[in-house]
Amino acid sequence: ETGVTQSPTHLIKTRGQQVTLRCSSQSGHNTVSWYQQALGQGPQFIFQYYREEENGRGNFPPRFSGLQFPNYSSELNVNALELDDSALYLCASSHINSPLHFGNGTRLTVT
Amino acid sequence: DAKTTQPPSMDCAEGRAANLPCNHSTISGNEYVYWYRQIHSQGPQYIIHGLKNNETNEMASLIITEDRKSSTLILPHATLRDTAVYYCIVRASYNNNDMRFGAGTRLTVKP
Repeated sequence: ETGVTQSPTHLIKTRGQQVTLRCSSQSGHNTVSWYQQALGQGPQFIFQYYREEENGRGNFPPRFSGLQFPNYSSELNVNALELDDSALYLCASSHINSPLHFGNGTRLTVT
Repeated sequence: DAKTTQPPSMDCAEGRAANLPCNHSTISGNEYVYWYRQIHSQGPQYIIHGLKNNETNEMASLIITEDRKSSTLILPHATLRDTAVYYCIVRASYNNNDMRFGAGTRLTVKP
């Protein structure tokens, strides 16, 4: 059984740029969620996708957007990067209403 | 959603049981108690969840008080690899997005 994989593992961007992070869900899972984890804090929910549509969103501005593809892989896009966007971005997949399975994240640094 | 309260840190001797408490005094009748842990540089890992009955799996046991206002996660024989941040989360199972991670308990297992 293949787990949740994320790419890239590390990324450095400049303020104002745009970034795309990618996630491959665990086999058989039909939902994908994205979380942001700042240093020393717990993960914060960004949004969830189910059947290629957004199925819930946390307190993040519209410049955070996402996509889920028919093969249940997913992207997180962040426009107009700010210094405070520096964080670990975590992807999690699951069956609907089942526990989340997380990847090991992408470490984004905005300079 | 019910808020949870956990001690910021705990120590445990290797081979002994680790008992991690969580208070959730405002929990609703349809809300489950979930436990995840996060080992350094990895994504959170699902451990166990329960509604009102005690639960046990290959990783841990979950003891929920009769009034459901608190719970305890038990690692029966802690090893050095159990050193991690442990998160207690309360969430209605029909809505598994927006899992609200607090600061968690940093468990250090010592030789």
